[in-house]
Amino acid sequence: AQTVTQSQPEMSVQEAETVTLSCTYDTSENNYYLFWYKQPPSRQMILVIRQEAYKQQNATENRFSVNFQKAAKSFSLKISDSQLGDTAMYFCAFMKHGRGDMRFGAGTRLTVKP
Amino acid sequence: EAQVTQNPRYLITVTGKKLTVTCSQNMNHEYMSWYRQDPGLGLRQIYYSMNVEVTDKGDVPEGYKVSRKEKRNFPLILESPSPNQTSLYFCASSTDRGQSDPGRNTEAFFGQGTRLTVV
Repeated sequence: AQTVTQSQPEMSVQEAETVTLSCTYDTSENNYYLFWYKQPPSRQMILVIRQEAYKQQNATENRFSVNFQKAAKSFSLKISDSQLGDTAMYFCAFMKHGRGDMRFGAGTRLTVKP
Repeated sequence: EAQVTQNPRYLITVTGKKLTVTCSQNMNHEYMSWYRQDPGLGLRQIYYSMNVEVTDKGDVPEGYKVSRKEKRNFPLILESPSPNQTSLYFCASSTDRGQSDPGRNTEAFFGQGTRLTVV
């Protein structure tokens, strides 16, 4: 079974600074996807960024980028120019190709301070 | 608009009173899942469905039932709720484009969540 580990229960960052959230996972699969989801106080689950394991290039979405290290099974999220609206719980998730369901980490609560 | 509709959003019930949380998606996704979210534990999978009439247990299935009679609906049933089932529940639907279908994105869409309290 796949496991996803987020070792930082809470983090904080000053507005406009950069922060990196860590995620490691354990799998014997070769084809899979990794995701970062954001959960603001509204509880809504919002997709931040997606990475396909067969792609070597790291995914980027505006201020959000990942550092995907397949051999190390590491998938960290970097948020640049942090904004107050980035304050949320962030979940790292793993999806095996052909399954459609996800395994989640325990989450990292990020607070952006003004 | 592509969406997953989950109802109700809030529910307070008593121990032993059967309840159903509904989930419906309008994206023709083959995969649907139920998760529960508890502090410090993230989202844990309760049940999973690969398609109509095909369901599988997740990591925490005890005390829950599901059915997938139609592709769009995936209700979660608690036959005899207990206080340890107090939690935040999410339904999700997803598709998997694989490497051979660049026209589709692999992602999961989530319902708005159901806050269930069992007293």
